[in-house]
Amino acid sequence: DAGITQSPRYKITETGRQVTLMCHQTWSHSYMFWYRQDLGHGLRLIYYSAAADITDKGEVPDGYVVSRSKTENFPLTLESATRSQTSVYFCASRRRGSDTEAFFGQGTRLTVV
Amino acid sequence: RKEVEQDPGPFNVPEGATVAFNCTYSNSASQSFFWYRQDCRKEPKLLMSVYSSGNEDGRFTAQLNRASQYISLLIRDSKLSDSATYLCVVKAGTASKLTFGTGTRLQVTL
Repeated sequence: DAGITQSPRYKITETGRQVTLMCHQTWSHSYMFWYRQDLGHGLRLIYYSAAADITDKGEVPDGYVVSRSKTENFPLTLESATRSQTSVYFCASRRRGSDTEAFFGQGTRLTVV
Repeated sequence: RKEVEQDPGPFNVPEGATVAFNCTYSNSASQSFFWYRQDCRKEPKLLMSVYSSGNEDGRFTAQLNRASQYISLLIRDSKLSDSATYLCVVKAGTASKLTFGTGTRLQVTL
């Protein structure tokens, strides 16, 4: 199916474990983004990518790693999960252009215990 | 100061009411503006882009005031289905990233 999908939808992990959230889009959009959403903070940008092999830090990158070896995939890794990383994570993509729409995945609800 | 600021609400309005949301942005280099809608526990979705001349889409009207760095969204004849959080979104110049406000929650009641 065309679109942007995230997996898993829900994840519970322990403090200190490494966890990877997956994001896959089928439109060949150039730009991809990872946001986290927390009460009182809204959506905050973690990392983004303008193309394969090009990534850049957003507002809250500490504790996260990304890669983009293929245009369609943009995984987000928490190297050593902490309780403060409990959040809802959204992946998004959009094509190049000033006013292009960003399409979001359904989100991954991550709980770190 | 946050790059994009919104009144968090909630705005509780009866069906049929007109409601207006405001948003201010701090980066004068911002060039593209949007309103997104987010339903509870769902992903954000584009409601409408905001153009300098103002634009309308059915019951929704968006306005931009570049001099005051201010964006607004007006919803006329509110429906129960309009209940959601409305996110003000800004993109600066040639940057690829979108910056989101924290959102304004709207609850439309019978």
